Amino acid sequence: QKEVEQDPGPLSVPEGAIVSLNCTYSNSAFQYFMWYRQYSRKGPELLMYTYSSGNKEDGRFTAQVDKSSKYISLFIRDSQPSDSATYLCAMSTTSGTYKYIFGTGTRLKVLA
Amino acid sequence: DVKVTQSSRYLVKRTGEKVFLECVQDMDHENMFWYRQDPGLGLRLIYFSYDVKMKEKGDIPEGYSVSREKKERFSLILESASTNQTSMYLCASSSLGDSAQATDTQYFGPGTRLTVL
Repeated sequence: QKEVEQDPGPLSVPEGAIVSLNCTYSNSAFQYFMWYRQYSRKGPELLMYTYSSGNKEDGRFTAQVDKSSKYISLFIRDSQPSDSATYLCAMSTTSGTYKYIFGTGTRLKVLA
Repeated sequence: DVKVTQSSRYLVKRTGEKVFLECVQDMDHENMFWYRQDPGLGLRLIYFSYDVKMKEKGDIPEGYSVSREKKERFSLILESASTNQTSMYLCASSSLGDSAQATDTQYFGPGTRLTVL
């Protein structure tokens, strides 16, 4: 079993829809949770960063962490065609560790 | 803004060739990383470096070596390229920041798509 599981998609939604992207994990020591966005043939760019449980909002994006269920989510409101990309979750354990564990990514297509 | 640059966007090499991939960051970050990204496998850590001349193996170091002679530059070397090393190679850097403040997050370069024939 992989430490981090992520549905590869593709997930196709109409413009304006609310998108929910998810990752599950098995290691209860993870405390830091990241979402990266990767456009085709480009490097990943950091989108959201969450420490421990709870919600974090940034514009149209909301990251949620449920440590009791070992489940994290990224919500995109009012999705745009420019949001079409692969979304990678990543997580790490205690402070000072260099090692991120990445999900395999979910490909999202927002249709105009 | 953090900037991580990689020497080539696309590279085609022949089996057995020695290949150098270079990465430069301009934010004075202590940590630098090399990953490869393959469909269905996600990002896998090859090597990382936490200081000049210091390196540690990641999850898949076989067939690779690295060099960090200057803080801003981290090179990945394929001593004898093989077809199974065809992949997207991503460099990242991060500071020794505060995890709770998100100042130690990893920033990625644009990637080098390497094809070994």
